[in-house]
Amino acid sequence: AQSVTQLGSHVSVSEGALVLLRCNYSSSVPPYLFWYVQYPNQGLQLLLKYTSAATLVKGINGFEAEFKKSETSFHLTKPSAHMSDAAEYFCAVSEGFQKLVFGTGTRLLVSP
Amino acid sequence: DTGVSQDPRHKITKRGQNVTFRCDPISEHNRLYWYRQTLGQGPEFLTYFQNEAQLEKSRLLSDRFSAERPKGSFSTLEIQRTEQGDSAMYLCASSLELANYGYTFGSGTRLTVV
Repeated sequence: AQSVTQLGSHVSVSEGALVLLRCNYSSSVPPYLFWYVQYPNQGLQLLLKYTSAATLVKGINGFEAEFKKSETSFHLTKPSAHMSDAAEYFCAVSEGFQKLVFGTGTRLLVSP
Repeated sequence: DTGVSQDPRHKITKRGQNVTFRCDPISEHNRLYWYRQTLGQGPEFLTYFQNEAQLEKSRLLSDRFSAERPKGSFSTLEIQRTEQGDSAMYLCASSLELANYGYTFGSGTRLTVV
């Protein structure tokens, strides 16, 4: 079965600093991978997805992620953090094209 | 397109009572999913429908839980004889036929069992 592991339940950065949120996947077939963001008391919003096209995927709000098969990773980055980026971020993998399996999430804290 | 709608947004119920939640998906999406999310955790899969057919149920879904999608449009999730451990955010999502397109989530229903 496919799964994802998010390293670090909390990540703290200063406004303007690089954001790096880590995700490693386990999959026996070429994976489809996703990053979602969740603001307090809201549902999840799709940031970006990897579907076996370009390995560098650009998403909304200036985020991007790179698929690295050799490292089984799909880390999320943003060059310069904004206060509005403070939220919970979830990595997910498509399992057999039937449903998404989510990681445990990483809370991003942004300080002024 | 108004996105995925869930009702109610919040529900407080006494232990032992039954509750029902509703989800209205995006109209052209034929797949509908229910997930449960507890504090500090990622969403956990409960069940999904393709049109009106319920294709998979998680082992997390005890006999007290039932979901329906009678006409392939909206769906309901019922929890009978609620327990305190049922307290969570219940998320509904919809997608086109294959999950690899990604989901569109609703805002969720937060259930508190007292």
